[in-house]
Amino acid sequence: EDKVVQSPLSLVVHEGDTVTLNCSYEVTNFRSLLWYKQEKKAPTFLFMLTSSGIEKKSGRLSSILDKKELFSILNITATQTGDSAIYLCAVESANDMRFGAGTRLTVKP
Amino acid sequence: NAGVTQTPKFQVLKTGQSMTLQCAQDMNHEYMSWYRQDPGMGLRLIHYSVGAGITDQGEVPNGYNVSRSTTEDFPLRLLSAAPSQTSVYFCASSPPANAHEQYFGPGTRLTVT
Repeated sequence: EDKVVQSPLSLVVHEGDTVTLNCSYEVTNFRSLLWYKQEKKAPTFLFMLTSSGIEKKSGRLSSILDKKELFSILNITATQTGDSAIYLCAVESANDMRFGAGTRLTVKP
Repeated sequence: NAGVTQTPKFQVLKTGQSMTLQCAQDMNHEYMSWYRQDPGMGLRLIHYSVGAGITDQGEVPNGYNVSRSTTEDFPLRLLSAAPSQTSVYFCASSPPANAHEQYFGPGTRLTVT
């Protein structure tokens, strides 16, 4: 059965720290891996990854995919309190979109 | 553009009642989907549609029906509500050129007693 596992489930850091969030997956007919940020309500799209080894970057956030080892990481450098959120990883396959449980990140001032 | 809108924002049902959660988007997106989000379980796909007149089941379709008569609207029907359907429901849409980039609605919090 397809599954997406994120770790850690929760993380508390201080402003300025760098964090790495993990997402591993087992799906058939992999198409893409996506990262979302969910604050109070709806998730918002961050990145889509389809190829191994190519880093996607947006400001202090970056992500990379390893299709051989079936995982992705999301890095956030110089964290700010506004980065506090649940970060969701999702894997798209031929007929499904499977989400992980999310990592709840809390950034303290 | 209003984006993806969902109504109602909150709903309380009694076991056995039926209701329809509304979802609409004004971005001319072909792909629309419904998810439920439960604590510790992330988002789970209920049903999705790749265009008007076409729907398909996701991971957890039982107890839910959908239809897609127009590009804009994608209602989710609960036929006979059960306490296990207590959840937050999100509708999402994405454009044909970038089907992976989903735009989510604000969610509907449903409680079934």
